[in-house]
Amino acid sequence: AQKVTQAQTEISVVEKEDVTLDCVYETRDTTYYLFWYKQPPSGELVFLIRRNSFDEQNEISGRYSWNFQKSTSSFNFTITASQVVDSAVYFCALSEGRVGSSNTGKLIFGQGTTLQVKP
Amino acid sequence: NAGVTQTPKFQVLKTGQSMTLQCAQDMNHEYMSWYRQDPGMGLRLIHYSVGAGITDQGEVPNGYNVSRSTTEDFPLRLLSAAPSQTSVYFCASTTPSRSSGRGTDTQYFGPGTRLTVL
Repeated sequence: AQKVTQAQTEISVVEKEDVTLDCVYETRDTTYYLFWYKQPPSGELVFLIRRNSFDEQNEISGRYSWNFQKSTSSFNFTITASQVVDSAVYFCALSEGRVGSSNTGKLIFGQGTTLQVKP
Repeated sequence: NAGVTQTPKFQVLKTGQSMTLQCAQDMNHEYMSWYRQDPGMGLRLIHYSVGAGITDQGEVPNGYNVSRSTTEDFPLRLLSAAPSQTSVYFCASTTPSRSSGRGTDTQYFGPGTRLTVL
């Protein structure tokens, strides 16, 4: 069965510190997507990144970077030089795949990690 | 594009009442789904649809009904509300990538409906 685990329930850092949010997943599918979403205090879900199972390249977007390692079934998210505006709940999610498609419209979410960045 | 819209934003029900949560998208997405978010549990899939007239159950379907008569709309019906259905409900939509290059493969979420059942 598919499963996503975010072992860190809450993380607190001081502004400008780097922080890594862990995500470990389980799946028997060979094709799947992994996602990260941000949920700020206002409550909406903001898409951050999508990674296809065939693409293990790490990605950097400004202060955000993602490390995808199929060998350890992990898709970790690092924020460099954190800011107060980064305070939010962050979700890692797995898209169930099927033959010929990584997208079935069904996401499996981790429990979320609450990040608090203090000034 | 308005994206994914949900109404109402907030709702309070009494146990046993029924209601419908509305969801609409204007991106011509094929797939739509409903999730509920409870503290410490992330989001869990309630029902989903891969096209008009096609729906299926997710992880936590009990107490909810859905139908998809059009591509744009995917309402979620609570048949007889219970306190255990107090939650935040999110609707999402996506379209799978095709060899034609169209599609997104990213799920876009609505703003959510906060439901309290007394």
